[in-house]
Amino acid sequence: AQRVTQPEKLLSVFKGAPVELKCNYSYSGSPELFWYVQYSRQRLQLLLRHISRESIKGFTADLNKGETSFHLKKPFAQEEDSAMYYCALTRREYGNKLVFGAGTILRVKS
Amino acid sequence: DTGVSQNPRHKITKRGQNVTFRCDPISEHNRLYWYRQTLGQGPEFLTYFQNEAQLEKSRLLSDRFSAERPKGSFSTLEIQRTEQGDSAMYLCASSLGAGGSSYEQYFGPGTRLTVT
Repeated sequence: AQRVTQPEKLLSVFKGAPVELKCNYSYSGSPELFWYVQYSRQRLQLLLRHISRESIKGFTADLNKGETSFHLKKPFAQEEDSAMYYCALTRREYGNKLVFGAGTILRVKS
Repeated sequence: DTGVSQNPRHKITKRGQNVTFRCDPISEHNRLYWYRQTLGQGPEFLTYFQNEAQLEKSRLLSDRFSAERPKGSFSTLEIQRTEQGDSAMYLCASSLGAGGSSYEQYFGPGTRLTVT
């Protein structure tokens, strides 16, 4: 079965500190992996996807197929990064429906 | 186009009543998805449409749930004989079909259902 695990419910860091939000997945094929973000009182929005290999708002994520991980990283956290972050996977053959993890709240303290 | 919209934003109903939610996707998007999110969990897939055709339904979608997208534009999700366990945030998302940025789903603000 497809599963996405985000082991941390809450990650609290100081401004300027590095951030790593963990995501592990279980899937038999070759999924597409995403990070979605939800800022306070805003809707869920795409942050980045592994196929584009781009950096958005200073965040990067590398797909590690050997470890089945897709951790989200940022070298220097900013207060405006405080939000709920969801890791998700999909496959085009399955209609692109998204399977989400439970989410991690990132709190950046000043 | 202001993105995906959902109505109502909040719904409080008594157990046993029927409720209907509406989703208006981004106009050129031919795929429309429904998800449900309960407290402390990520969104869970319920069903999706390619134009007016409902292509998949999750096992989460009991017989009390029905979704339609009659003209391939807006969609409705109806819950009959609501139960307290139906209390959740119901999210709608839309995307283009195959090709292009087909994977990016744009989410609506959600409808929060409370069953008392």
